[in-house]
Amino acid sequence: GENVEQHPSTLSVQEGDSAVIKCTYSDSASNYFPWYKQELGKGPQLIIDIRSNVGEKKDQRIAVTLNKTAKHFSLHITETQPEDSAVYFCAASKGGTSYGKLTFGQGTILTVHP
Amino acid sequence: NAGVTQTPKFRILKIGQSMTLQCTQDMNHNYMYWYRQDPGMGLKLIYYSVGAGITDKGEVPNGYNVSRSTTEDFPLRLELAAPSQTSVYFCASSTLAGDYTGELFFGEGSRLTVL
Repeated sequence: GENVEQHPSTLSVQEGDSAVIKCTYSDSASNYFPWYKQELGKGPQLIIDIRSNVGEKKDQRIAVTLNKTAKHFSLHITETQPEDSAVYFCAASKGGTSYGKLTFGQGTILTVHP
Repeated sequence: NAGVTQTPKFRILKIGQSMTLQCTQDMNHNYMYWYRQDPGMGLKLIYYSVGAGITDKGEVPNGYNVSRSTTEDFPLRLELAAPSQTSVYFCASSTLAGDYTGELFFGEGSRLTVL
C-alpha cells in the first residue's frame, strides 16, 4: 500500500519567516495530495490540495509544489503568523471515488513565535 | 449547518467492554469515513462508506464494525475493547459534487481510553 513520509516532525519559526514542510510518497498511482491543518482539540481542516496534473498551486500565503518524478510534494507558508501555529498533515490518495481514502503523513508541529 | 457531529467527545472503557461512537452529518454527503489518530501519528483509515447500505474496510479495520443505514449516520462499533484501541477517533464526510470535490469535512473527534 501507499506510504507517506513527512518531515520535519517539528518546525519553529519567527513571525514573518517562511515555513516549508516536505512529504514523499511511494505509490506512483497516487494522484491527489491534500494538506490538512489541525488545531488543538479540533478535527483536521483542508488548507490546500493539488492534483497530479498540476505542478504548483497557490492560495494567498500558502503554496504547494508537486514533483511526480521524485514522488515528493511540499507545503510552503510565507509571512507566517502566530495563528499559523498548528499541526500540519500531508496526505495522498488515488483520487476519483477514492479521494477520501487518504494515507496521511506523521504530521509537523509548526510553532510561530511572535 | 452543523457539519459533522460526533458523540461522545470523551469516553473511558474497561477492557472487554463494547461501545458505539456516533457520527452524523447534515451536508447530504455520500461518502463517510472513520479515521483514528494515535499520539504523534497521522490518521489511519478504519472504515469508509460510499453511500447508504455500502461499507468497506480501510487500513486498520480489526476490532471495529460499521453500518450505514441512512445518508446522515455512520456509527462505529467497538467490540471487546482493547488497550490498543485507545486513540482519538475522527469521523469525516465528503462529496464529489461541486467545488468541494475531494475535501474531507471532519468532526471534532472522540477521545477513547481503554483501561
